[in-house]
Amino acid sequence: NAGVMQNPRHLVRRRGQEARLRCSPMKGHSHVYWYRQLPEEGLKFMVYLQKENIIDESGMPKERFSAEFPKEGPSILRIQQVVRGDSAAYFCASSPAEGGNSPLHFGNGTRLTVT
Amino acid sequence: AQKVTQAQTEISVVEKEDVTLDCVYETRDTTYYLFWYKQPPSGELVFLIRRNSFDEQNEISGRYSWNFQKSTSSFNFTITASQVVDSAVYFCALGLNTGGFKTIFGAGTRLFVKA
Repeated sequence: NAGVMQNPRHLVRRRGQEARLRCSPMKGHSHVYWYRQLPEEGLKFMVYLQKENIIDESGMPKERFSAEFPKEGPSILRIQQVVRGDSAAYFCASSPAEGGNSPLHFGNGTRLTVT
Repeated sequence: AQKVTQAQTEISVVEKEDVTLDCVYETRDTTYYLFWYKQPPSGELVFLIRRNSFDEQNEISGRYSWNFQKSTSSFNFTITASQVVDSAVYFCALGLNTGGFKTIFGAGTRLFVKA
């Protein structure tokens, strides 16, 4: 299966813990996007990365959230000291080319629950 | 401002009815891209169609059709003879290559098709 792979599918964390969400893009794709979907809401852009570079992080909260896409390995979205409001589905998408003209190929998402 | 508005939060129809999902977008860019994605109950997001801003031709794919009108900044999606399997959340999205190369999603329209 050469699709976008996200893991884990479900993640439960207690308040104050760290959450690490992983995303392996489709083969041949070097552009990765992270989106957050709150219950009953649409997708909110968080960050756009290319290999080793953050291109646009305008949707990322300034504190506690970080993202990386190293030269080797998956993209990681890291949330430190999670709070209940971080509970959401986090979707990763990849594309073969930059930006707004390419359809996004989405993973199945990671559903984070903060207890 | 760059924005996508899907005014219909939920629509409920009976099987075999036609249904139109509305999408209105805002951007000052002259080059942009419009997309529709489907999110069935299983949660994954599936790409349906892409249009660029210079191509106002309407498109039909089976029971699906799309009406792009630049004059009203709308990109509406019609499902003809709806089926229960069409039940999903449908997202309209705007792809931009300025200000960060990102795709902005509307809040989504939840479609219920009853047998």
